[in-house]
Amino acid sequence: EVQVVESGGGLVQPGGSLRLSCAASGFTFSSYAMTWVRQAPGKGLEWVSGISESGGSTFYADSVKGRFTISRDNSKNTLYLQMNSLRAEDTAVYYCARPRAGGGGYEDIDYWGQGTLVSVSS
Amino acid sequence: QSVLTQPPSASGTPGQRVTISCSGSSSNIGSNYVYWYQQLPGTAPKLLIYRNNQRPSGVPDRFSGSKSGTSASLAISGLRSEDEADYYCASWDGSLSAVVFGGGTQLAVL
Repeated sequence: EVQVVESGGGLVQPGGSLRLSCAASGFTFSSYAMTWVRQAPGKGLEWVSGISESGGSTFYADSVKGRFTISRDNSKNTLYLQMNSLRAEDTAVYYCARPRAGGGGYEDIDYWGQGTLVSVSS
Repeated sequence: QSVLTQPPSASGTPGQRVTISCSGSSSNIGSNYVYWYQQLPGTAPKLLIYRNNQRPSGVPDRFSGSKSGTSASLAISGLRSEDEADYYCASWDGSLSAVVFGGGTQLAVL
């Protein structure tokens, strides 16, 4: 069974840092691109970042570019999102997600985690 | 505001057919596939339509997608109470090199 499980969320002060992790199982992690999508409380979905199978290509939303870094460790079947210089507007549930098999793009997601809440507040 | 434009709300009665629109531009919908997601309250989104009009296995054929130019639509026929959810369109934007989502449409089944 395909599973992606996020961890690392919590309360952090503005300007602070946090690293999210996503543990993947039930599929060959190194064969799939991966992505992060967030959802602020009561708001819509916002794509955050994507990373290729090898980690050699990364993409970011303009809203997080220069502050967030996506990475992966294929030996540990784990995806990461390093978040620096956090702002109140980064408060959201962060979903780890896997695109569909067969070359699905970062927008073509068939498996989602349950999400981890990041709250940025003083 | 979102790069893709959706109506904030839609409604219908059981058995009716409802459509939700998604408007974009040449750099996203006009040159890339459109995807639709359903999000029930308190849950993660679920892929409903991929590559404009394809349904993943398990998605009822009451759900259908279409695309024309820089716009796309999701149609739900034979509306049921369990269809009450938020619906999002998404596409890749070549100018931004990023995924863009619509703002979401909250569907009410009256």
